[in-house]
Amino acid sequence: EPEVTQTPSHQVTQMGQEVILRCVPISNHLYFYWYRQILGQKVEFLVSFYNNEISEKSEIFDDQFSVERPDGSNFTLKIRSTKLEDSAMYFCASSDRGLTDTQYFGPGTRLTVL
Amino acid sequence: RKEVEQDPGPFNVPEGATVAFNCTYSNSASQSFFWYRQDCRKEPKLLMSVYSSGNEDGRFTAQLNRASQYISLLIRDSKLSDSATYLCAVNNGYGGSQGNLIFGKGTKLSVKP
Repeated sequence: EPEVTQTPSHQVTQMGQEVILRCVPISNHLYFYWYRQILGQKVEFLVSFYNNEISEKSEIFDDQFSVERPDGSNFTLKIRSTKLEDSAMYFCASSDRGLTDTQYFGPGTRLTVL
Repeated sequence: RKEVEQDPGPFNVPEGATVAFNCTYSNSASQSFFWYRQDCRKEPKLLMSVYSSGNEDGRFTAQLNRASQYISLLIRDSKLSDSATYLCAVNNGYGGSQGNLIFGKGTKLSVKP
C-alpha cells in the first residue's frame, strides 16, 4: 500500500538554526500539506500546496516558514530560524483531489529546538 | 473562528463494550468529515470518512448530522487494540480551499481487559 514517508524521524537543532523537513507524498497525489502537533495539543494546519504553489496557509505559517517541491517526488518544509516554540511533531500529508478527498499522513518528524 | 470540539475523555471501558464519540463543528460550509485514530506519538491514521447517509465498517459506525453540525463514531465490541486517541477532522470548506483539515483535540480511549 502506498504511503507518505518523512525524513528525518527526529531532528534536534539549536535555536536560530535552519531546518529542512522532507516528505515524499504518495506518488499519484496532487495536493500536499504540512501540519504540526505540539506535544499534548491538537493537530494544526500549516500550509497546503498544489500545482507548485501555496494554496493556503495558516497564521502559524509566517515568514520563517517556506515550502518547496524541488523535484517530482520531494516536498520540503523549511524553518529559517528556529524558535523554542517550533518544537513539535511535523506531519506531511497528501491527497488525490484536494477539497473533499482523504488526506494520508506521513509518520512525522519530531523537531526539538534547544 | 472555525472550531471542532470533542469530549477530551479519557473513556475507560472494558473489552466488549460499546463506546460513542461525539464531535461538533462550527463551519457550516464544511464538506468533508473524517475520523482519524492516533496512537501515542504517531501520525493520524484514517479510520473512516463520514457521509451524510452514515457509514459502517465492521465494528465502526459513523454518522453525520449537518443540521446540528454534529458527527459521531460508534465502536461496538471494543478490543484492547482500539485503545488510542480518536480525532475528528473537518475540512474548512470555503470556496477555493484545497481542503485543509481542522482537527479536534481528540478523545482518548482506553480499553481494559
